[in-house]
Amino acid sequence: DQQVKQNSPSLSVQEGRISILNCDYTNSMFDYFLWYKKYPAEGPTFLISISSIKDKNEDGRFTVFLNKSAKHLSLHIVPSQPGDSAVYFCAASEREYGGATNKLIFGTGTLLAVQP
Amino acid sequence: KAGVTQTPRYLIKTRGQQVTLSCSPISGHRSVSWYQQTPGQGLQFLFEYFSETQRNKGNFPGRFSGRQFSNSRSEMNVSTLELGDSALYLCASSRHTLDSQETQYFGPGTRLLVL
Repeated sequence: DQQVKQNSPSLSVQEGRISILNCDYTNSMFDYFLWYKKYPAEGPTFLISISSIKDKNEDGRFTVFLNKSAKHLSLHIVPSQPGDSAVYFCAASEREYGGATNKLIFGTGTLLAVQP
Repeated sequence: KAGVTQTPRYLIKTRGQQVTLSCSPISGHRSVSWYQQTPGQGLQFLFEYFSETQRNKGNFPGRFSGRQFSNSRSEMNVSTLELGDSALYLCASSRHTLDSQETQYFGPGTRLLVL
């Protein structure tokens, strides 16, 4: 049962344009969401996060939007740069037993290619 | 501030052997989590340690175990290795309080190949 889904395995955009990566989840108990960027054979690099009490969080070129009613989040990268080319994972966590947990459930990833 | 470090970076073992991987968290971080990444299953949670106690465990067999030391460093052990255990093993650390989620920062991983 895939609780976090990234339905687009790959995405190609032109340099300078907007990249929009999407993520859907099924568990309504998820209350913290993160986006990571990953290169092969390396650890994921944290990009941006959002708590379920917010619907938007910005950090430089990266903005994450959360739509709790649709159980959907998206990552916008503006403007896209060739160095952004990598696999992007969304991840979610939930409170368990009344406390915070570090158990992250990851999506399957989206390969972003930014063309010069 | 130094990032999460993992040793060794690469490892080759044969079926039936056991292996121990090590993780040093970012200074001041008390929570350490372990993940396995394989082409077929993606990134999967193994377990989380906080203050030397396992707080959470993923859906993996008992051959996978871990521990955390008083300095927050962590080790994970896999006994009786199987071919399917070949993977990238990732360690992540966070400040982690019991009241709120904190961002997890990942190390570079240990690439394990089981022959």
